[in-house]
Amino acid sequence: EAQVTQNPRYLITVTGKKLTVTCSQNMNHEYMSWYRQDPGLGLRQIYYSMNVEVTDKGDVPEGYKVSRKEKRNFPLILESPSPNQTSLYFCATIGQAGSQYFGPGTRLLVL
Amino acid sequence: GDSVTQMEGPVTLSEEAFLTINCTYTATGYPSLFWYVQYPGEGLQLLLKATKADDKGSNKGFEATYRKETTSFHLEKGSVQVSDSAVYFCALRGKTGFQKLVFGTGTRLLVSP
Repeated sequence: EAQVTQNPRYLITVTGKKLTVTCSQNMNHEYMSWYRQDPGLGLRQIYYSMNVEVTDKGDVPEGYKVSRKEKRNFPLILESPSPNQTSLYFCATIGQAGSQYFGPGTRLLVL
Repeated sequence: GDSVTQMEGPVTLSEEAFLTINCTYTATGYPSLFWYVQYPGEGLQLLLKATKADDKGSNKGFEATYRKETTSFHLEKGSVQVSDSAVYFCALRGKTGFQKLVFGTGTRLLVSP
C-alpha cells in the first residue's frame, strides 16, 4: 500500500529541547515536502526536497532544518523549539502525475 | 504571489442539503487547481482536481469547475451526508512551482442528521 508515514503522531516538549519528526514514503517519489497547518492560515510549506541531497526553503523555514540522505526519508528537525512552533505538521510527496500524498500529521505542542 | 481565498466557515447544513464552498484564486498563468478534504484526526486527501480552464473535477458526488474568467473553483455537492463533515481546502499549483501547493485557509463543513 502506497503511504507516507510520520512519527511521532503527537509530541509535547519544552522550549529549547531539540526534536526530530520523521517522515518516510514507500512510493519512490523524488519530491518531498513539509507543511505546517495553523488555524486561519491553512497549510504553509516549510521546506521541500527535489531529490537526495537537494533541499530548499519554502515559505516559513525559520527555526527548522531538514535533511535528505535517502530517497525515502525526509526528517524535520527543530534544533531549539519555541512555543510559536506549536502546530500540526504534515509531510507530503509528489508523484510523477503531480498529485500530492500527505502523511497523517504530527501534532506538536511546545511549552 | 499566488494565493487562494476560501469562504470562511463553519458551514452548517442538514443532511441532503446542497453544498457550495466558494474558492477564488490569484495566480500567474493557468495553475492546476485542487480540493483536498481533511477528516477529523487525519491527513489531507485529494478530493478532486482540474488542470485547465473549463475542466470539471468530480469525485464522491463532489464537483468543481475551473472557471478562468472568474478565477474560481467552487466546490459543490447536490446532497450532503453526515459523513461529509470535514475540513475542505482549496489549493493551487502554479506553473513555475511544481513542488508547492498554495492552500486556502480551509472551510469546516458540519452536516447534521
